Amino acid sequence: NAGVMQNPRHLVRRRGQEARLRCSPMKGHSHVYWYRQLPEEGLKFMVYLQKENIIDESGMPKERFSAEFPKEGPSILRIQQVVRGDSAAYFCASSPYGQESPLHFGNGTRLTVT
Amino acid sequence: DQQVKQNSPSLSVQEGRISILNCDYTNSMFDYFLWYKKYPAEGPTFLISISSIKDKNEDGRFTVFLNKSAKHLSLHIVPSQPGDSAVYFCLRGDDKIIFGKGTRLHILP
Repeated sequence: NAGVMQNPRHLVRRRGQEARLRCSPMKGHSHVYWYRQLPEEGLKFMVYLQKENIIDESGMPKERFSAEFPKEGPSILRIQQVVRGDSAAYFCASSPYGQESPLHFGNGTRLTVT
Repeated sequence: DQQVKQNSPSLSVQEGRISILNCDYTNSMFDYFLWYKKYPAEGPTFLISISSIKDKNEDGRFTVFLNKSAKHLSLHIVPSQPGDSAVYFCLRGDDKIIFGKGTRLHILP
């Protein structure tokens, strides 16, 4: 049973480009969470999704950021018109039941904006 | 307002001794807590959980204690090993939002 898979592992984008980060949850998991870790900071929640639904996006910046978790395929975190401040490690986690079930994390995508 | 707090940013422990990581909470309605461990450049890994119907849960070298009257929980690692050097996070079970900065554990040779 493969763990949470994130790709790419490293992503370099120039300012103004788009970044697409992918997350395939563990088999049987229908709850996905995205977190961001800025340099020298802790993990910050961004968004919580279930299949085809955004449950909580209270941690998402209002502009340029969007997330989806379609019926088929991986969850996608999309950052449009990236800026240097978007450089961070982005972690995805999945769980089978949402509340009160442990999260299983991927190893993250490290985004560098040049 | 963070309702679950780890007040020690770092802790150093000799290899082979006991490591004790602490966590305090403010809301008595919480009934499920989890501990995660994180290595640099990796995602956090779930370690152990405890529900409020228990005051102790043990898994190998890891034991979590819950003191409901003091609203305090602690993670004990014994004996501590070099691979335990990591950042440890304490979370409420029903709130995936707040990870905080955790406690960085250094195991000294």
